[in-house]
Amino acid sequence: SAVISQKPSRDICQRGTSLTIQCQVDSQVTMMFWYRQQPGQSLTLIATANQGSEATYESGFVIDKFPISRPNLTFSTLTVSNMSPEDSSIYLCSTMGLAGNEQYFGPGTRLTVT
Amino acid sequence: AQSVTQLGSHVSVSEGALVLLRCNYSSSVPPYLFWYVQYPNQGLQLLLKYTTGATLVKGINGFEAEFKKSETSFHLTKPSAHMSDAAEYFCAVSDGTGFQKLVFGTGTRLLVSP
Repeated sequence: SAVISQKPSRDICQRGTSLTIQCQVDSQVTMMFWYRQQPGQSLTLIATANQGSEATYESGFVIDKFPISRPNLTFSTLTVSNMSPEDSSIYLCSTMGLAGNEQYFGPGTRLTVT
Repeated sequence: AQSVTQLGSHVSVSEGALVLLRCNYSSSVPPYLFWYVQYPNQGLQLLLKYTTGATLVKGINGFEAEFKKSETSFHLTKPSAHMSDAAEYFCAVSDGTGFQKLVFGTGTRLLVSP
């Protein structure tokens, strides 16, 4: 499986500011995914990021709030914009495995908005 | 649309006892099914998956799960719990297409007592 790293691992931010989360994969991958895990809850897909195309957002998530970049086949960023306390969550990126039918996850970024 | 139901937000077992975590799914197409484990302050780790073929699948750390189409279930079991098994467990389903969107259940926290 691919090794996925995320930066930062955690951050505390003030409301109204923005945070960019980085996701780095140790091999080239076509599809990358961004998920949100709100406190005590399950994971919800935010968007799918393919290299060379615009990210595809799930219902309830918009590009202005969660802009995503995918400049190459090993890297992606997710920005959480104009943050409010409701954005306090763990944000995880994932990629497809070699078998093409499972996903592997990064360690997550724990965001607290005050 | 697909969905996953995990019965029991918390399951408590004694060390050495059988572990049974329940997962039922809803899918209009043949599903791919997954179990992930999340240890405190970590990302998700794939335990096992069912795509096609043998309905009893074995995963890491002694866990296994059986796909029962007639019951729309994919329960996770382990014959003998270890203290190190204490974690959050998530069942997930995808529709088996190239897009591979994962829909997660709400998770079950496994507590293991000495």
